[in-house]
Amino acid sequence: AQKITQTQPGMFVQEKEAVTLDCTYDTSDQSYGLFWYKQPSSGEMIFLIYQGSYDEQNATEGRYSLNFQKARKSANLVISASQLGDSAMYFCAMRVSGYSTLTFGKGTMLLVSP
Amino acid sequence: DARVTQTPRHKVTEMGQEVTMRCQPILGHNTVFWYRQTMMQGLELLAYFRNRAPLDDSGMPKDRFSAEMPDATLATLKIQPSEPRDSAVYFCASGLGRGRGDTQYFGPGTRLTVL
Repeated sequence: AQKITQTQPGMFVQEKEAVTLDCTYDTSDQSYGLFWYKQPSSGEMIFLIYQGSYDEQNATEGRYSLNFQKARKSANLVISASQLGDSAMYFCAMRVSGYSTLTFGKGTMLLVSP
Repeated sequence: DARVTQTPRHKVTEMGQEVTMRCQPILGHNTVFWYRQTMMQGLELLAYFRNRAPLDDSGMPKDRFSAEMPDATLATLKIQPSEPRDSAVYFCASGLGRGRGDTQYFGPGTRLTVL
């Protein structure tokens, strides 16, 4: 069985600062994918970034980067230069090879202050 | 800009009534997922389809929930009879079904309140 753990229920950061949202995962599979989604107060789930277990480089998408440490089974999301619009709930998720379904963590609420 | 659409966006109903939620996946996507989100349980998978065939509905209460894909452009989730504990946000998501890296794109959700 797969499990995603997000230990930070809430995080606060000031505008323009960088913030790291933690995610650890547990799986016995060698082939898997890790995803981060953003859920603003409007409720929609927005895909942010993906990292494959065999990818050697950390994934980056604009201000988002994924700090992938395979040996530690962690896939932390780094948001650089935070903006007020980054205030939202952030979910880490995993899919193992051979399955189409995602396993989600409980989420981290990020609040960005001016 | 291709998006998953869901209707209705909000639904308030009374206990015992039938509720039908609809989803239009992104054109060309062959996997469709139904999730439920509550404060207590977080995001739970209810059912998923590949090429319109149901592959996993183990997350659904079988006695009251049913999910179907009448065609490739429509997925439905029905609750009959509805109960107050069904109050949640129901998301539909779709994907290309191409392995572990396949991204699921979510619709805006249906917020259901059962009184």
